[in-house]
Amino acid sequence: SAVISQKPSRDICQRGTSLTIQCQVDSQVTMMFWYRQQPGQSLTLIATANQGSEATYESGFVIDKFPISRPNLTFSTLTVSNMSPEDSSIYLCSVVHTRGGQEQYFGPGTRLTVT
Amino acid sequence: AQSVTQLDSQVPVFEEAPVELRCNYSSSVSVYLFWYVQYPNQGLQLLLKYLSGSTLVKGINGFEAEFNKSQTSFHLRKPSVHISDTAEYFCAVSPGGYQKVTFGTGTKLQVIP
Repeated sequence: SAVISQKPSRDICQRGTSLTIQCQVDSQVTMMFWYRQQPGQSLTLIATANQGSEATYESGFVIDKFPISRPNLTFSTLTVSNMSPEDSSIYLCSVVHTRGGQEQYFGPGTRLTVT
Repeated sequence: AQSVTQLDSQVPVFEEAPVELRCNYSSSVSVYLFWYVQYPNQGLQLLLKYLSGSTLVKGINGFEAEFNKSQTSFHLRKPSVHISDTAEYFCAVSPGGYQKVTFGTGTKLQVIP
């Protein structure tokens, strides 16, 4: 398994500002994913982040709005830029462990409220 | 492409009663199947997974699921629920090979004392 931490755990931000969310894993992992979970809804994949390459974004998500960094095999950041109230969500990072069994392990999430 | 359908958005059940949470999927390729649980204000935790082999899969907390290829289903069951099982449950599917996981819309299990 993998132990994942996220910072911050929650934040309240003003419209038009940006927030960077950090994801730290306790072991080296090949692939990291960023998801959004809007209130009362399921998880939607934002992008896949591989170390040493550009993140791959899903339809409806763009790099200018959600820039991602993946500087090494244990760390990634997601920035939510120029926020609006519609960005209020839980943001979760997850990993597929290099020697795992295909399942994803999730961080505790970052609860973002935009006012 | 793949998709997951969880028909029941909410399932109320009395404590110590059995429960089944339904999950159907569609995919043009073979898939791996998962059930995750999300307790209030927490991230997702893996309950169980089906990769291959026996179609009856046992997971944590007394849950089990049965893979039915002909019906493209992966229903989650527990013979006797506890108050602490109150949570949201997500069924998920992946073609494997580190490809993305598709989640269902979730089923909120409410255990009534």
